[in-house]
Amino acid sequence: KAGVTQTPRYLIKTRGQQVTLSCSPISGHRSVSWYQQTPGQGLQFLFEYFSETQRNKGNFPGRFSGRQFSNSRSEMNVSTLELGDSALYLCASSLERMGYTFGSGTRLTVV
Amino acid sequence: AQSVTQLDSQVPVFEEAPVELRCNYSSSVSVYLFWYVQYPNQGLQLLLKYLSGSTLVKGINGFEAEFNKSQTSFHLRKPSVHISDTAEYFCAVSVTAGNKLTFGGGTRVLVKP
Repeated sequence: KAGVTQTPRYLIKTRGQQVTLSCSPISGHRSVSWYQQTPGQGLQFLFEYFSETQRNKGNFPGRFSGRQFSNSRSEMNVSTLELGDSALYLCASSLERMGYTFGSGTRLTVV
Repeated sequence: AQSVTQLDSQVPVFEEAPVELRCNYSSSVSVYLFWYVQYPNQGLQLLLKYLSGSTLVKGINGFEAEFNKSQTSFHLRKPSVHISDTAEYFCAVSVTAGNKLTFGGGTRVLVKP
């Protein structure tokens, strides 16, 4: 079956712009989580959605937001981009408590 | 809150030699434990997980890990590594509610011929 699909794979944005990343989970998975990976901070949890509801949120500023649609696809949005937002953004989907399957990520570069 | 410590940031190892990657966690509640591998420019791939039951967990690619509750550890082992095992390895925990993963800092494994 198809894995977790993230689009786009690479993105270059200018400071102050906003960006939307997309994640399509494995069919049947209702939980979608987002993580930010940077060399300095490692892997950090952004938020998790389950059945269109945000169930958990990490310690990120309000510029980072997300949503989940009825088909479980999820988007995350970052507004007013800063240089420090440059990172690999990873999406993961799961069946409850059974482990997470990650996508290949979106590499965001802010210039 | 939970935390995960991976004691080695880098582990060089010769091909066909054994390797052990150390992981210790801290949590006030029961946890689920995971090991993931990340190859360059890719996402994370699940190697194995401990949810309950036997403390010795076998995963993909010949990896195994042992959950030790008293020592709060979940070390990853492979008896004989290949060049293709060169990657970064992450230990992670989650608690029963919320499904949030807390990751360790990662261990880079470099397999030398």
